[in-house]
Order: sequence, then C-alpha cells, then structure tokens
Amino acid sequence: DARVTQTPRHKVTEMGQEVTMRCQPILGHNTVFWYRQTMMQGLELLAYFRNRAPLDDSGMPKDRFSAEMPDATLATLKIQPSEPRDSAVYFCASGLPLSGDNEQFFGPGTRLTVL
Amino acid sequence: EDQVTQSPEALRLQEGESSSLNCSYTVSGLRGLFWYRQDPGKGPEFLFTLYSAGEEKEKERLKATLTKKESFLHITAPKPEDSATYLCAVLGQAGTALIFGKGTTLSVSS
Repeated sequence: DARVTQTPRHKVTEMGQEVTMRCQPILGHNTVFWYRQTMMQGLELLAYFRNRAPLDDSGMPKDRFSAEMPDATLATLKIQPSEPRDSAVYFCASGLPLSGDNEQFFGPGTRLTVL
Repeated sequence: EDQVTQSPEALRLQEGESSSLNCSYTVSGLRGLFWYRQDPGKGPEFLFTLYSAGEEKEKERLKATLTKKESFLHITAPKPEDSATYLCAVLGQAGTALIFGKGTTLSVSS
C-alpha cells in the first residue's frame, strides 16, 4: 500500500532552534508539495516541486524557511530560526499530474510546536 | 485571485439525515475542483475531482456536483463513520497547486 511518509510526527522545540521535517513521496510520483495547516488559515501551500525542481515557493517566508529535494525519495522543509507563529501541522503531498484525477496524496503530517 | 469558501463551518446531523455541504469558488479558468476528507490527526484523503459544470461523481453515500460558481457534496443517509472535516480545493489556469477552503466539519450522531 503506497503512501507518503513524514518524520517526525511530532516536534516540540524552543524559539530560535532549527527544525527539519522530512518527507518520502510515493515512489514514481514526480510532484511534491509542502502545506501548512492552522485553525485560522486552513491549508496553505508553502512549496511545490516537480521532478525535484522547485516551481513555486511563494507561500514560504524566505528568510527562515527552505525546501529542498536532495533526491527523488526525499523532500525536506527546514525552519531556521523557528518562531512560535510557526506552530502548525505541516503536510507533505505527492502526485502524478498526468494521472486520471490529478489527486494529491497527503502524508500524516508533522505537528510542530514552537515554545 | 483564486478563492474558495466553504459553508457551513460545522454541521451536526443525526444518522440517516441527508444534507449538503457547499463550496463556492472564484478562479481564473477552472482546471479542476477537488473534494478531500480529513479525519482528526491525519492528512487529507482524496475523494473526487470534478472538471466541468454539470459533472457529478459518486462514492458510497457521497455525491459531488459542480456548477460554474459552486460545488455541492451531498451526503445521503449519513453514518457516524462519515464524521470528518470535508475540504474543497480548486486548481486554476494560472495556478500551480491547489487552493483549499477552510473546510466543513461534519458530525453524525447515532
């Protein structure tokens, strides 16, 4: 049963610390998305990769957030330095745009709490 | 700017009491409207994609419909296991990724 995996599932850290979240997309999927979900804003797109190349990271605070895909099986989202307002659930999703329904498959998320 | 508004924010139903959730959207050239289900503590799970006005799709007790301005998710004779947050999203002509609404949280009691 192919699925997107994310680590860690939960992270509690102090303000100013670096946070790295990892995602393993479904094998064969060539698009990867990072979303952030909060009660106030809902799901917001942070970054979007196709064939490992970043296509859209306009939703990401550039001064502290960075997203990379070192290889086709790993995507990372890094926050440095972290701030309390970054507390949220971060989801990774992968997809195959040419598939029938264009659906994105979401991972279970990383719940981040910055104290 | 592409935008999605879902209503109501929360909906409580008795088991067997059919109802509909609404998703209103504004988008420049709709490439697809998506419905997802999200259970607490989990990621969204894909339900349907609709591409053009008049299109309908069904899955068990759920039926999604699409007009030029909105989509409805009809729930027929719901069961407690249908309780979840239902998210609507659009993909526009100029967009590279989905724009999500804030969701409708459905609670079905027996």
